[in-house]
Amino acid sequence: QQQVKQSPQSLIVQKGGISIINCAYENTAFDYFPWYQQFPGKGPALLIAIRPDVSEKKEGRFTISFNKSAKQFSLHIMDSQPGDSATYFCAAKSVGGSEKLVFGKGTKLTVNP
Amino acid sequence: EAGVAQSPRYKIIEKRQSVAFWCNPISGHATLYWYQQILGQGPKLLIQFQNNGVVDDSQLPKDRFSAERLKGVDSTLKIQPAKLEDSAVYLCASSFLASGGRELFFGEGSRLTVL
Repeated sequence: QQQVKQSPQSLIVQKGGISIINCAYENTAFDYFPWYQQFPGKGPALLIAIRPDVSEKKEGRFTISFNKSAKQFSLHIMDSQPGDSATYFCAAKSVGGSEKLVFGKGTKLTVNP
Repeated sequence: EAGVAQSPRYKIIEKRQSVAFWCNPISGHATLYWYQQILGQGPKLLIQFQNNGVVDDSQLPKDRFSAERLKGVDSTLKIQPAKLEDSAVYLCASSFLASGGRELFFGEGSRLTVL
C-alpha cells in the first residue's frame, strides 16, 4: 500500500522556469514531511523539510507548500537550473512506533538549458 | 565528516546464489537503516536498527534476507538465496536519532543485479 502518492513521474522544465512536484498522503499520523534529492549513482540527500504546523517553508530557491486539510504538500523550485536535474522524492514520517520514513515513487526532473 | 560507507558498489550474481552488503554509518549515529530501491521507485525500508536492536523489520523478507548490526556500528545485509526480483540498489542510511524528524544520511548504495 503506497502511503505517499507523488506526481508527476517526470517533469521537463526550461532553465529559469518553475518546477512543481506534488505529493498526497492519507495517514494523519504523519508529522514530518521531507523532500530528498537524488543524483544518478548517489544516495538521496535531504533538500528541505516541513512540519504540519506551518503552511510554507522556503530555503533559497526551494519552497514547500503544505495543505493539512487536503493532506497534500508540494515542492516548488524557482528559477530552475540545469544543475537541479535529478530525481526528487517526497517522504513522510509519523511520530511514535518505529517512526520510519516512507517515500513517494519519485519525480525525474530535467531542466533544459 | 566522513559519510556513510557501503560496499561493494556493484554485484552481479546468478539467482539462488547468496550476497552480502556492508555498511559503516556516520560515527556517533545510533540509528541505521537498510532501504531497497528498485529502478524507478522510491526507497523502501527493509530494516531499522537502534544501536544493536531491531526497531522495525516488518518489510524484510525474512525467508531470504537477514541483517545484523554487531556492536552497534557496522551492519551487514545478506540475501540467500537471491531471486530475480531482488535486483535493486540497497541503500544504507544513518541518523543521529530516530525521533524528532532527524535527517537521514544515505550512502551511495550497492547495486545488485540477479541474473
